[in-house]
Amino acid sequence: LAKTTQPISMDSYEGQEVNITCSHNNIATNDYITWYQQFPSQGPRFIIQGYKTKVTNEVASLFIPADRKSSTLSLPRVSLSDTAVYYCLVGQRGTDKLIFGTGTRLQVFP
Amino acid sequence: NAGVMQNPRHLVRRRGQEARLRCSPMKGHSHVYWYRQLPEEGLKFMVYLQKENIIDESGMPKERFSAEFPKEGPSILRIQQVVRGDSAAYFCASSHRDRSSYEQYFGPGTRLTVT
Repeated sequence: LAKTTQPISMDSYEGQEVNITCSHNNIATNDYITWYQQFPSQGPRFIIQGYKTKVTNEVASLFIPADRKSSTLSLPRVSLSDTAVYYCLVGQRGTDKLIFGTGTRLQVFP
Repeated sequence: NAGVMQNPRHLVRRRGQEARLRCSPMKGHSHVYWYRQLPEEGLKFMVYLQKENIIDESGMPKERFSAEFPKEGPSILRIQQVVRGDSAAYFCASSHRDRSSYEQYFGPGTRLTVT
């Protein structure tokens, strides 16, 4: 599975838009990009998945440039409850094991 | 529809004892995964099971650790003769095995403390 690199931590304030970028230079043709969110003392939760261009759901948007060597998770107007660790994963759909890095720890301040 | 259930949520064992962690997948899911998370680290894959079968145990330590997913009942992760280094959060996830999705549903985890 492709290795991913993302910032260790980010700070933001309530109401701001947060963009977390993930690098995956060795992404393969069949690989998808998936983001998970983990709150303290909880299991990870699926946020969004994409292959190319842009994907949007009720929680976030995912931007993927044409070369697919990076991706950006965008969280609109964050609130305190968005404080969590965000993991970027790259792999084929249906892959049985998820490979988690250390993630990005987002802290939202009032 | 209940989510993935794990019990106990917290487990304290002394060195040398056995730890049994249970996981009930979401209704309709027949695929179970176990992950371990050390403090300040990401989750590490341990094992993937289907009913009565171990599909991938490449992340399981070779000794003291075992997992099963019987035809009836929850999946069990068993750690024999626990050591302090086994202290971690153990998460179970389940999926429907739909190849159009990459989504696994995680339980709340079991926090194992070895004293």
